[in-house]
Amino acid sequence: AQKVTQAQTEISVVEKEDVTLDCVYETRDTTYYLFWYKQPPSGELVFLIRRNSFDEQNEISGRYSWNFQKSTSSFNFTITASQVVDSAVYFCALSEARQNQGAQKLVFGQGTRLTINP
Amino acid sequence: KAGVTQTPRYLIKTRGQQVTLSCSPISGHRSVSWYQQTPGQGLQFLFEYFSETQRNKGNFPGRFSGRQFSNSRSEMNVSTLELGDSALYLCASSPTGRNSPLHFGNGTRLTVT
Repeated sequence: AQKVTQAQTEISVVEKEDVTLDCVYETRDTTYYLFWYKQPPSGELVFLIRRNSFDEQNEISGRYSWNFQKSTSSFNFTITASQVVDSAVYFCALSEARQNQGAQKLVFGQGTRLTINP
Repeated sequence: KAGVTQTPRYLIKTRGQQVTLSCSPISGHRSVSWYQQTPGQGLQFLFEYFSETQRNKGNFPGRFSGRQFSNSRSEMNVSTLELGDSALYLCASSPTGRNSPLHFGNGTRLTVT
């Protein structure tokens, strides 16, 4: 069965610090997708990144970067020079490819509540 | 482009009643998924619809059902409500499903008393 573990329930840092959110996943599939979503207090989940299992290149987008390591089944997310606006709950999620069926089912981690203090 | 719209935002129901939640996807998106979010269980997949057909279903009892209309709008229904059904219900849309990023609505917060 698929499983996503975000061991850090809550993280609190001071503004401008760097912070890394951990994500470890389990799957028997050889083809799968990993996602990160951000949930601000308003409730909607905001898509941040998608990575497929064949692409282990790290990615950087502004202050955000992601480290995908298949060998350790991890997909960690780092925010550099954090800002108060980064405060939110962050979710890591896993999806099977299921190309034949086409349907998508995300398995989410429990989320990490990130608080950036001024 | 308008985002995913869910109505109503808040609902209060009594045990045993039934409830219908509505979701309008982003224009052009044909896949609609529903998720339940609770403090204890986190985010759990309910079902996914594409072109009025349910393609995938999560591990929820038969009291939870849904449908999708020809304009891609979707509804989910929960019958015989239980206290444990209190949750934030999130709808998400994508062009085809197929592991493309999901666009989520603000959710409907259901409270069962």
